[in-house]
Amino acid sequence: DAGVTQSPTHLIKTRGQHVTLRCSPISGHKSVSWYQQVLGQGPQFIFQYYEKEERGRGNFPDRFSARQFPNYSSELNVNALLLGDSALYLCASSLATSGQARGFGPGTRLTVT
Amino acid sequence: AQSVTQLDSHVSVSEGTPVLLRCNYSSSYSPSLFWYVQHPNKGLQLLLKYTSAATLVKGINGFEAEFKKSETSFHLTKPSAHMSDAAEYFCVVSEPPGGGGNKLTFGTGTQLKVEL
Repeated sequence: DAGVTQSPTHLIKTRGQHVTLRCSPISGHKSVSWYQQVLGQGPQFIFQYYEKEERGRGNFPDRFSARQFPNYSSELNVNALLLGDSALYLCASSLATSGQARGFGPGTRLTVT
Repeated sequence: AQSVTQLDSHVSVSEGTPVLLRCNYSSSYSPSLFWYVQHPNKGLQLLLKYTSAATLVKGINGFEAEFKKSETSFHLTKPSAHMSDAAEYFCVVSEPPGGGGNKLTFGTGTQLKVEL
């Protein structure tokens, strides 16, 4: 079975632009979470979606938004990019929202110049 | 609020010697705890998880961790380090089950170096 997949793997954007990152969960998983990992730090929680509804939001500005589709895949959108948005963006999936281990994707490396 | 503290940012061991990566947690509830490993330019891989069953948890690649409520600790150990164990290790706590939202809170990571 395929694990969590993310696209693109790398992305370079200019300040002020918009970006969309995509994630496909492990087959059968209905919950998707997004994390931001800045170089040298641990991942920080951005969003969690379950059954297409937002179930949790981390301490990120409104420039960050996400959605989940009927097939449980998800998109993370970031508007008005700042240099500080440069990071590895990780997607994780799980069966449900309860305290279960997540399968993580390889991440999208976003560089903002 | 939940949190984890990884007590060492860097740990260096010789191949074949034991590994100890320390983690303390803070949680208002009975926590779910995890250890993840991240190799360079790779995604996060689950090593093991504690979810209120046995306090000694065995994971992949010979790693294990012991949940000690009295010490609020969840240290990761391995009897004999291998060169392939060199990576970044994250201790993680999860909010309790139920309700909406179930985020993982990561520690700052411990970089494990294994020397010949």
